[in-house]
Amino acid sequence: RKEVEQDPGPFNVPEGATVAFNCTYSNSASQSFFWYRQDCRKEPKLLMSVYSSGNEDGRFTAQLNRASQYISLLIRDSKLSDSATYLCVVYSGGSNYKLTFGKGTLLTVNP
Amino acid sequence: NAGVTQTPKFRILKIGQSMTLQCTQDMNHNYMYWYRQDPGMGLKLIYYSVGAGITDKGEVPNGYNVSRSTTEDFPLRLELAAPSQTSVYFCASSLPGGNQPQHFGDGTRLSIL
Repeated sequence: RKEVEQDPGPFNVPEGATVAFNCTYSNSASQSFFWYRQDCRKEPKLLMSVYSSGNEDGRFTAQLNRASQYISLLIRDSKLSDSATYLCVVYSGGSNYKLTFGKGTLLTVNP
Repeated sequence: NAGVTQTPKFRILKIGQSMTLQCTQDMNHNYMYWYRQDPGMGLKLIYYSVGAGITDKGEVPNGYNVSRSTTEDFPLRLELAAPSQTSVYFCASSLPGGNQPQHFGDGTRLSIL
């Protein structure tokens, strides 16, 4: 099983749609979880951290299920500007603070 | 604030040539990282550093070397460029702590021909 596995995508949705991305991780001792966003030919940027109780930032909601080793990202009322690749990122412990990145899921929001 | 700055942005090398990818950050972060990203693949960690004078290998270190003489700078060296090293290279930095995000430079696109 890969360390971090994401929906392969791509996702094509109309503006205003709700879309959800899923991610699973293999190391049950993983401690921190993030969603990063990467625009085409750009660097990854932190979208949001994922907390155990779930968290929301505007139209974005992140959920964590430790028992199932599963993370999700929900985007409501999609905008054209949400088109990007969404990376699931996991920190599995250790003093080097290395992160493991999923391959990403490409989202295209169409007018 | 400049954040993480990488140079050059683009480079074409011939097989067997060497070069250094530069990375500097002005956020006083102790932790710095080098990744490569191939098309359709996740970021792979090449080397990382937890402070000046301390470096360690990541997942894919072969063919690369690093040094960390200052907190700000973390250059990546390719000694004998090979076509398999054609990739986009990202440098990142962070504060210590597993809940700290990594801040990325805007990347160096390298082609080896």
